[in-house]
Amino acid sequence: LAKTTQPISMDSYEGQEVNITCSHNNIATNDYITWYQQFPSQGPRFIIQGYKTKVTNEVASLFIPADRKSSTLSLPRVSLSDTAVYYCLPDSGGGADGLTFGKGTHLIIQP
Amino acid sequence: NAGVTQTPKFQVLKTGQSMTLQCAQDMNHEYMSWYRQDPGMGLRLIHYSVGAGITDQGEVPNGYNVSRSTTEDFPLRLLSAAPSQTSVYFCASSPGTGVGEQYFGPGTRLTVT
Repeated sequence: LAKTTQPISMDSYEGQEVNITCSHNNIATNDYITWYQQFPSQGPRFIIQGYKTKVTNEVASLFIPADRKSSTLSLPRVSLSDTAVYYCLPDSGGGADGLTFGKGTHLIIQP
Repeated sequence: NAGVTQTPKFQVLKTGQSMTLQCAQDMNHEYMSWYRQDPGMGLRLIHYSVGAGITDQGEVPNGYNVSRSTTEDFPLRLLSAAPSQTSVYFCASSPGTGVGEQYFGPGTRLTVT
């Protein structure tokens, strides 16, 4: 399983762009990178997934450099409601891959 | 679609009691999994299933049993509850790992006294 490293916590302010980086040095060739968001007392919710370069949806962008040893989740113009824990998961499609969550990054947005 | 449903929402057990946490999904997903989440911690995988009749252990399987007799249901059994099993339990399903997203249930908050 690819081991991931994320900052434990981050702070930002409403209206700012927030970038959360996840390191996954031993990512496998077949691994996709998936990001989830979790609010208190709720199960995680899928945000975005990508393999390389850039992926964008209505919620976030995901940047994966050519070496794929890291990925960056970008949240544009955050609001207080973006305060949550964010997890990145490499997923190669076999066994428990894609099912292993780390401790995530606790993002706190202030007014 | 109801998505992933879990029952009960809350449960209090005494040490040594057994119980089953129920999980069901109506999306015809192959993968189902159980996680526990302790305060301030990430999710830890207990057991998972890649299809009906197939289950496997995750990171923290001790004290828990699972079975997958149908695609829809994936119950988690606590054999003899211990205070260390006080946690929030989440069930999830996905079409399959690899390019698939997991859908989570609302969770069961379990307290063992």
